[in-house]
Amino acid sequence: EVQLVESGGGLVQPGGSLRLSCAASGFTFSNYWMHWVRQAPGKGLVWVSRINSDGSSATYAESVKGRFTISRDNGKNTLYLQMNSLRAEDTAVYYCAREQMVFREFDCWGQGTLVTVSS
Amino acid sequence: QPVLTQPPSSSASPGESARLTCTLPNDINVGSYNIYWYQQKPGSPPRYLLYYFSDSDKGQGSGVPSRFSGSKDASANTGILLISGLQSEDEADYYCMIWPSNAVLFGGGTKLTVL
Repeated sequence: EVQLVESGGGLVQPGGSLRLSCAASGFTFSNYWMHWVRQAPGKGLVWVSRINSDGSSATYAESVKGRFTISRDNGKNTLYLQMNSLRAEDTAVYYCAREQMVFREFDCWGQGTLVTVSS
Repeated sequence: QPVLTQPPSSSASPGESARLTCTLPNDINVGSYNIYWYQQKPGSPPRYLLYYFSDSDKGQGSGVPSRFSGSKDASANTGILLISGLQSEDEADYYCMIWPSNAVLFGGGTKLTVL
């Protein structure tokens, strides 16, 4: 069964840091581009970042550029999101998602992990 | 404010059809991109439904019923998700998505109520 499981969320103060993880199973993780998408409470989906299959290339939404870093360890089948200089507006459920190779849809999503930035 | 514009809400009765729209800004031509559609129910992650580029280039997500279909209205620069034969289980939030560059854009979502 294809599965993505996020972890690492929690309560953090403004200006703090947090690292999210997304453990993949049931597929060849190293073949796929991966993404982080977030959703603030009661709001819509917002794309955050993506990384290519070997980890050599990444792009970011303007709102997180310079503060967040996406990475992956294909040996551990795990995707990461290092979040620094966190702000209240980063409060959201963070989902990892798999991008399909041909038509680029996000065909598999994790259950999400909640990040709350508050003093 | 999301770049892709979706009506915040829509409603229809069981058995009827629902037409959900996703309007692109003027500088992004709907005819040039795949439009992806996702469904999200409360407390759950999004679920991929389908993508639509043209009648000859489209795809359905695994296990997604054929009563979910996509189209475009080029004159309105809009992508469309049509749900026919509405069922109570179709009540959910629906999001459109495009890849205009290396970044991904989502619409603000439409909450569909099945009356």
